Amino acid sequence: EDQVTQSPEALRLQEGESSSLNCSYTVSGLRGLFWYRQDPGKGPEFLFTLYSAGEEKEKERLKATLTKKESFLHITAPKPEDSATYLCAVGTASKLTFGTGTRLQVTL
Amino acid sequence: DTGVSQDPRHKITKRGQNVTFRCDPISEHNRLYWYRQTLGQGPEFLTYFQNEAQLEKSRLLSDRFSAERPKGSFSTLEIQRTEQGDSAMYLCASSLIQGHEQFFGPGTRLTVL
Repeated sequence: EDQVTQSPEALRLQEGESSSLNCSYTVSGLRGLFWYRQDPGKGPEFLFTLYSAGEEKEKERLKATLTKKESFLHITAPKPEDSATYLCAVGTASKLTFGTGTRLQVTL
Repeated sequence: DTGVSQDPRHKITKRGQNVTFRCDPISEHNRLYWYRQTLGQGPEFLTYFQNEAQLEKSRLLSDRFSAERPKGSFSTLEIQRTEQGDSAMYLCASSLIQGHEQFFGPGTRLTVL
């Protein structure tokens, strides 16, 4: 059974304090590792897809990296508007399997 | 707006009633997915369509749940004889093909009293 584990469950950062979120996974037939951002009461918003170990992608203050068993979402100099739940998911031929997310709060 | 849309956004119903939700995917996407999300959890897969064909259903999808996608365009998800455990956010997503990013709608929040 496909499994995704995210850590930490919650993270509180001060503005400008960089950190990383972890996503470890086991899956049969990986068709991509996906990162989403979700604000309260809204649907997940797509951020990145990574397909192979060693791949990296960046968007503004976020950078996602992938190894054979883990992915990291690095947040550099975060701002309060980066506060959200960050979800990691593994994709197979038919579906996404999500972790429970990391709730990030960035304070002034 | 050309994103995924869902209707209604909120639904409150009494236990035992039937409810139906609608999802309109991004127009050129031939895959459409339904997920369910409860508080503090990630979305859980329910079912997906490729064009009008329903290709996979999760064991989470009891026989009280039925989904359709007539003509390969919009989709509906019906829940019969609702139970309090059905209270959740129901999310729809669409994608071009397998392995590509899925784009989610805003969700329908169901509350069963």
